[in-house]
Amino acid sequence: AQKITQTQPGMFVQEKEAVTLDCTYDTSDPSYGLFWYKQPSSGEMIFLIYQGSYDQQNATEGRYSLNFQKARKSANLVISASQLGDSAMYFCAMSPNNQGGKLIFGQGTELSVKP
Amino acid sequence: DVKVTQSSRYLVKRTGEKVFLECVQDMDHENMFWYRQDPGLGLRLIYFSYDVKMKEKGDIPEGYSVSREKKERFSLILESASTNQTSMYLCASRRTSGIYNEQFFGPGTRLTVL
Repeated sequence: AQKITQTQPGMFVQEKEAVTLDCTYDTSDPSYGLFWYKQPSSGEMIFLIYQGSYDQQNATEGRYSLNFQKARKSANLVISASQLGDSAMYFCAMSPNNQGGKLIFGQGTELSVKP
Repeated sequence: DVKVTQSSRYLVKRTGEKVFLECVQDMDHENMFWYRQDPGLGLRLIYFSYDVKMKEKGDIPEGYSVSREKKERFSLILESASTNQTSMYLCASRRTSGIYNEQFFGPGTRLTVL
């Protein structure tokens, strides 16, 4: 079965430090997409970063980077130089191929940035 | 600026009522989705639609139905609301081509069934 697992329900990080949020996935398909979304307390889901299964390089978007290890089936999100505004829920999601673009989400990780 | 709107941010209904949750997108997206979000479970897909008048069951369709008569509008229907349907409901849309297209989400509707 296709599945996303986020094993860290909650994490703390000091402001200006880097933090890694873990995500592992399970699929037998060779083609898939991996996404990270941020959900602040206001509730909206904000797209952060995408990694395709055939992409050779790790994706980066500003302070966000995705540490993609295909053999280990992991897609960890790295946030550099954390800011207070990074405090939020973070969801990892997978889009299987040929399934209408639907997303399979993990349980989420609540990140708290300390001043 | 792309936008997905949902008819209500908060909704309180009684057990047994028929409930309509509306979602509208202005991006001419083909695909639309309904998820529910519960603590510790993440988001789970209820139904999705490839295009107008098309619908597919997601992972937890029981107790729900959907309607997509126009491309921009995707409605979620709770035929007879129950207390276990108290949840946050999120609508999303995306362009159809490729797995790399991200979904754009609405602000969510927090539904309470008493």
